[in-house]
Amino acid sequence: GQQLNQSPQSMFIQEGEDVSMNCTSSSIFNTWLWYKQEPGEGPVLLIALYKAGELTSNGRLTAQFGITRKDSFLNISASIPSDVGIYFCAGRVNQAGTALIFGKGTTLSVSS
Amino acid sequence: KAGVTQTPRYLIKTRGQQVTLSCSPISGHRSVSWYQQTPGQGLQFLFEYFSETQRNKGNFPGRFSGRQFSNSRSEMNVSTLELGDSALYLCASTLLPQSTDTQYFGPGTRLTVL
Repeated sequence: GQQLNQSPQSMFIQEGEDVSMNCTSSSIFNTWLWYKQEPGEGPVLLIALYKAGELTSNGRLTAQFGITRKDSFLNISASIPSDVGIYFCAGRVNQAGTALIFGKGTTLSVSS
Repeated sequence: KAGVTQTPRYLIKTRGQQVTLSCSPISGHRSVSWYQQTPGQGLQFLFEYFSETQRNKGNFPGRFSGRQFSNSRSEMNVSTLELGDSALYLCASTLLPQSTDTQYFGPGTRLTVL
């Protein structure tokens, strides 16, 4: 079945640094989503991408839908302590009604 | 607008028992999906319901089942619980089960099997 490879698995950074993480797949996706999950809560949607090449921002977060439709990137600029959490990518293949597939997540730790 | 609600938030059961979890989607959302989240496997899709019908099913044994009611509320049931069923069970809702819809998650039910 389809798999999403998300990297890195974890990151330890200083406050103020920029962060990059990505997801790749061997399948073509027509939707890419990025979520953040904090302890004890469900994932919260950060950014949704629907077109190859699309670049979308949400505050300090920027995500891109890769032009090959097999990858996506999330960047966080000028990280702050509240950015701590697990970031998940999720994708849906190019077929209506199919389920979302999730990456294993990137755990972000920010030290002040 | 209220978000996705799940009850109960925490549950402790013993092996062999069964459990029922409940999910109320965002008002107006008609599609509900269930996921199992564990540290080792991450988020894994269980099933999706729309208009009281199961539309998609993940690769889980028949001990995992679900249903959806006419008001779009959904329940999932796990019978003959095993230790490995300990996980966070997440429910997500979308307006319609279309490929371009995004999903909004509830806080999850933390199930511990002893």
